[in-house]
Amino acid sequence: DIQMTQSPSSLSASVGDRVAITCQASLDVDDHLYWYQQKPGKAPKLLIYDASNLASGVPSRFSGSGSGTGFTFTISSLQPEDVATYYCQQSDYPPLTFGGGTKVEI
Amino acid sequence: QITLKESGPTLVKPTQTLTLTCTFSGFSFSTSGVGVGWIRQAPGKTPEWLALIYWNDIKRYRPSLKSRLTISKDTSKNQVVLTMTDMDPVDTATYYCAHRPQGFVGDYFDYWGQGTLVAVSS
Repeated sequence: DIQMTQSPSSLSASVGDRVAITCQASLDVDDHLYWYQQKPGKAPKLLIYDASNLASGVPSRFSGSGSGTGFTFTISSLQPEDVATYYCQQSDYPPLTFGGGTKVEI
Repeated sequence: QITLKESGPTLVKPTQTLTLTCTFSGFSFSTSGVGVGWIRQAPGKTPEWLALIYWNDIKRYRPSLKSRLTISKDTSKNQVVLTMTDMDPVDTATYYCAHRPQGFVGDYFDYWGQGTLVAVSS
């Protein structure tokens, strides 16, 4: 299975801060990389698809970049409602695999 | 508007077979590229993809669980069913079904059900 390594595993930042999360794939996944947000007790919500495309209805403060094995997810200005755990997911090689998650706190 | 909802038992005994149903609306398997997947998440753990069925009835399974999983669809009822045999306490998790958007490259999920917590215990 492709291993997806996210870092950091958790972070604490202030409202308005720029926050960046990285996701490293153990093999080249091209741009088949997706980012989800999960709040406690809720299902994951798609934020970014194909590494850098914003999903419908997602605020523009969220962005994604990267290709191949290295990817970055950025929140340009952290808001209180962004407190959640964020996961990356690859689909280039079966099985689909998720990263370990990054818990974002304020 | 796409919605999905999981249904099934909340408690199963070890060795039993789990059957979960995903009932959806807002899309159809007549749309090329569409799919429905099952993903589970053990408490405090990362999501784990289990299975995916496409509009053309092609099925994909997590290799490590393939012998225990069966996914099927009932187009007339707008339902997808997942069965998992030989349940074990380690299978205790919230099980989600989710919509794979139309397209021919990349498997990901843009709409998710609320999830159903399944506990495995005697």
